[in-house]
Amino acid sequence: QAGLTQPPSVSKGLRQTATLTCTGNNKNVGYEGAAWVQQHQGHPPKLLLDRNHNRPSGISERFSASRSGSTASLTITGLQPEDEADYYCSAWDSTLSAWVFGGGTRLTVL
Amino acid sequence: EVQLVESGGGLVQPGGSLRLSCAASGFSFTTYWMTWVRQAPGKGLEWVANIRQDGGLKFYLDSVKGRFTISRDNAKNSLYLQMNSLRAEDTALYYCATSRDTAGGPYWGQGTMVTVSS
Repeated sequence: QAGLTQPPSVSKGLRQTATLTCTGNNKNVGYEGAAWVQQHQGHPPKLLLDRNHNRPSGISERFSASRSGSTASLTITGLQPEDEADYYCSAWDSTLSAWVFGGGTRLTVL
Repeated sequence: EVQLVESGGGLVQPGGSLRLSCAASGFSFTTYWMTWVRQAPGKGLEWVANIRQDGGLKFYLDSVKGRFTISRDNAKNSLYLQMNSLRAEDTALYYCATSRDTAGGPYWGQGTMVTVSS
């Protein structure tokens, strides 16, 4: 099953802003949007934003999402050391009738 | 406190079977789609299957169709994954999660490891 495309790595400085992208097509990201999870090494994923851009309780407002056509973006403002993690997008694919994930982006906070 | 606790993983030979279980507590289990997501060692996340609140609708990753069966018991607040004809490429950490407008979340378990090897 075809996945979504994410850059393998992004590096930004402390207190800077990082924007991570997730590219699909009009049957997945462009269909109903993308959700975002964060995963620290050795831990289960944590939902940051669902495909409607809603944050679960306890997730910082420094995390926000947007979409333009078939590309979704996750923006993290005021980068902190604890933001260093892997970030995955996911979207429902209406052709496959399946959820698909991106390959993940490793964010490094310098 | 919300908890999702997976069990049933282990070492199995190619062609063998395993049944994973996920016990849910601390939230309204019957109001969520439930999902299984796996992660091979050193690799990214891969959605495996999900099931509607009433168990009447299920979806699967193409590569597990016909081999894996997802089910739930709402009376026991439990989710299951019956895995048959296991292959080496099924080796992964299997996570149980709720699924609401996302492949997984907001609630995730800690995962149970499945290793398929002779």
